[in-house]
Amino acid sequence: EVQLVESGGGLVQPGRSLKLSCAASGFTFSDYNMAWVRQAPTKGLEWVASISYGGSNTHYGDSVKGRFTISRDNAKSTLYLQMDSLRSEDTATYYCARPYSGLDYWGQGVMVTVSS
Amino acid sequence: IQLTQSPSLLSASVGDRVTLSCKGSQNINNYLAWYQQKLGEAPKLLIYNTNSLQTGIPSRFSGSGSGTDYTLTISSLQPEDVATYFCYQYNNGLTFGSGTKLEIK
Repeated sequence: EVQLVESGGGLVQPGRSLKLSCAASGFTFSDYNMAWVRQAPTKGLEWVASISYGGSNTHYGDSVKGRFTISRDNAKSTLYLQMDSLRSEDTATYYCARPYSGLDYWGQGVMVTVSS
Repeated sequence: IQLTQSPSLLSASVGDRVTLSCKGSQNINNYLAWYQQKLGEAPKLLIYNTNSLQTGIPSRFSGSGSGTDYTLTISSLQPEDVATYFCYQYNNGLTFGSGTKLEIK
């Protein structure tokens, strides 16, 4: 059974950093591209970043480019999102997802609140 | 590519045939998926590549479309279908529609 479990969320002050993790199981992690998607409270879904299966290619949404970094450790079957220079508008639930036939599997999400 | 969903809110009766629309600002080349999101849950994939039913999804859900115009149809609305439905294109970049909230009348 495919499982994606996010962790690392919480309350952080504007301008500070936070690193999210997503532990994958139930499939060969190193064979798949991966992505982060977020959803602000009561809002729609926004793609944040994607990374290729080997980690060499990354892509970012315009709203996070230059501030967020997506990475992965295939030996640990774990996806990461390093979030720097956080802003109030980054407050959202962050989901990791597997981009296969759309986004076929999602984690349960982790909440990030940026507030002083 | 921008995606426009309509209507934003839909109220229908149990047993009704329901149609949700998703229109792209450019040709999506059938790389379109539909998601169901219930309150407090992660989105669930229903349909991918316009009309392919994800494993485990009831057959009352179906998708169609081409070019810029796509549709999700629920053939007979059930109480457990109350949710927000999002379309998602992966042809050129990755973008989501703003969602259609489906309620029972």
